[in-house]
Amino acid sequence: LAKTTQPISMDSYEGQEVNITCSHNNIATNDYITWYQQFPSQGPRFIIQGYKTKVTNEVASLFIPADRKSSTLSLPRVSLSDTAVYYCLVGPRSDAGNMLTFGGGTRLMVKP
Amino acid sequence: DGGITQSPKYLFRKEGQNVTLSCEQNLNHDAMYWYRQDPGQGLRLIYYSQIVNDFQKGDIAEGYSVSREKKESFPLTVTSAQKNPTAFYLCASSRTGGDNSPLHFGNGTRLTVT
Repeated sequence: LAKTTQPISMDSYEGQEVNITCSHNNIATNDYITWYQQFPSQGPRFIIQGYKTKVTNEVASLFIPADRKSSTLSLPRVSLSDTAVYYCLVGPRSDAGNMLTFGGGTRLMVKP
Repeated sequence: DGGITQSPKYLFRKEGQNVTLSCEQNLNHDAMYWYRQDPGQGLRLIYYSQIVNDFQKGDIAEGYSVSREKKESFPLTVTSAQKNPTAFYLCASSRTGGDNSPLHFGNGTRLTVT
């Protein structure tokens, strides 16, 4: 199973771009990379998912290099409401069952 | 609206009692999961089920039990054998169990055992 490593915490200011990097050195060929956002006392919410290169949606971009051993979640022009914990999750190998394991996440604090 | 419903939001029990947490989904998802979250920590997988009448242990299954008699329901029982049951419990579902489809989470049940 692919283990992920993320920074424990990050600080930013409103209006800045925030990049959170996740390392996943033993990612499997059929694994996808998925990012979730969690606010206090709520369940995590899906942000974005990708397999390789770059994926963009209305809230974020995900950059994945060719070797896929890391990925970077990019949040453009953050606001105070983006203060949350962000989790990087690498998808399960179908031949190993469905053990979707979360790491500790990155606690992002956006300041005014 | 489709989604996952966890009830109750807050639950209080005395030590030594079993307690069952409810999780219902109307997303027609095959796979369902239970996670535990302790203060300031990430999520740890307790049990997961890829299909009705089948489930597997996650990383921390000791002291917990589940059933999956219906596609839409995946109740979790916290037994008296669980040494530290006080935690935030999250239920999730995904379209299938093996295609990397994103997880959809409920809003959790906060269990306090005294």
